[in-house]
Amino acid sequence: AQSVTQPDARVTVSEGASLQLRCKYSSSVTPYLFWYVQYPRQGLQLLLKYYSGDPVVQGVNGFEAEFSKSNSSFHLRKASVHWSDSAVYFCAVSPNSGGSNAKLTFGKGTKLSVKS
Amino acid sequence: EAAVTQSPRNKVAVTGGKVTLSCNQTNNHNNMYWYRQDTGHGLRLIHYSYGAGSTEKGDIPDGYKASRPSQENFSLILELATPSQTSVYFCASGDGMGPDTQYFGPGTRLLVL
Repeated sequence: AQSVTQPDARVTVSEGASLQLRCKYSSSVTPYLFWYVQYPRQGLQLLLKYYSGDPVVQGVNGFEAEFSKSNSSFHLRKASVHWSDSAVYFCAVSPNSGGSNAKLTFGKGTKLSVKS
Repeated sequence: EAAVTQSPRNKVAVTGGKVTLSCNQTNNHNNMYWYRQDTGHGLRLIHYSYGAGSTEKGDIPDGYKASRPSQENFSLILELATPSQTSVYFCASGDGMGPDTQYFGPGTRLLVL
């Protein structure tokens, strides 16, 4: 079984500050890892995903995430946040076999508030 | 761009009534999913499908049925709605190839009175 923990339910940062949102996963094998963002009253949108290779992956809008096998983590980062980044961010994991085992398991989400 | 639509966007139902939530995708994806989102729980998988005619139980299937009559359409059915099923429901499609990137619809807000 796989699981995802996002230890911070809420994070508040000032506009222009750097950001790190934490994600820890539990899986018997190295999984596929995802970050999704949900803006108010909208569905989830993919920010970035990791499945192999360079542990630092780039996403949209200046987001990046770093996979650490030793720490079982996949933290999301951004160098300088904008007020429009205020949203709920979800980390998710799926088995690395695709096809019939492609179900995602989501963390509970971190609500990011950017104050001006 | 992937396109997943859901109808209705908002629904008020009575306890014991039947509710059908519909999802349509134009991505030609094999996989489709139904989730519910509740505060403090994130997204939880209710049912999913790997193609027309197939449905599988997810993590919280009790009280829900699903139907996949075609590649494009996937419905979630609440035969006897209860207030505990008040939630926001999301449909998603995914191609199931390698890291299955899922594309989400805008959600349906269901209130069961």
